[in-house]
Amino acid sequence: DGGITQSPKYLFRKEGQNVTLSCEQNLNHDAMYWYRQDPGQGLRLIYYSQIVNDFQKGDIAEGYSVSREKKESFPLTVTSAQKNPTAFYLCASRLLGGQSNQPQHFGDGTRLSIL
Amino acid sequence: KNEVEQSPQNLTAQEGEFITINCSYSVGISALHWLQQHPGGGIVSLFMLSSGKKKHGRLIATINIQEKHSSLHITASHPRDSAVYICAVHSNQFYFGTGTSLTVIP
Repeated sequence: DGGITQSPKYLFRKEGQNVTLSCEQNLNHDAMYWYRQDPGQGLRLIYYSQIVNDFQKGDIAEGYSVSREKKESFPLTVTSAQKNPTAFYLCASRLLGGQSNQPQHFGDGTRLSIL
Repeated sequence: KNEVEQSPQNLTAQEGEFITINCSYSVGISALHWLQQHPGGGIVSLFMLSSGKKKHGRLIATINIQEKHSSLHITASHPRDSAVYICAVHSNQFYFGTGTSLTVIP
């Protein structure tokens, strides 16, 4: 079955440590997105990519980095510069082109906590 | 100011009740989405609307473009409907509401 796989489901980070969250999709979707979800807030966009080797900052990109070396993969690195990384992170993908409105497909998320 | 506002934030219903969740938005949109987030955190798309009304099983979604308002209705609610329901709109980017946490009691 096609879908989006995020790993790990739970992740713990020590102070000053970088961690990388994995997101893989086998839907042949063009665009991929990373969102952060905090209690009482809507999803906020961190980074997105519409094509391999290209990505754009979202609303809260500071302290995060991404890469898009393959169409299927869009890993997110939470760097030590992100001072409040504890949150639930969701990856999504979407088909572009053709019918103008295509829904996003979401992974099951990664919950990141500070030790 | 949030581009997408949902109400209520929390909702508790008895099994069998008719449920309505409301969504208002302030931006021009090409589509509105209703999403369901289960306790484990994964999100599934329930509906994508650009006009009118859609029905899937016991779920009905409506949208009024002129009033910038959408509603999600659940008929004959069941405990398995307990989840967070999120309204999202597609404008120049996606904007998300803060969600409505629904608990259906047997």
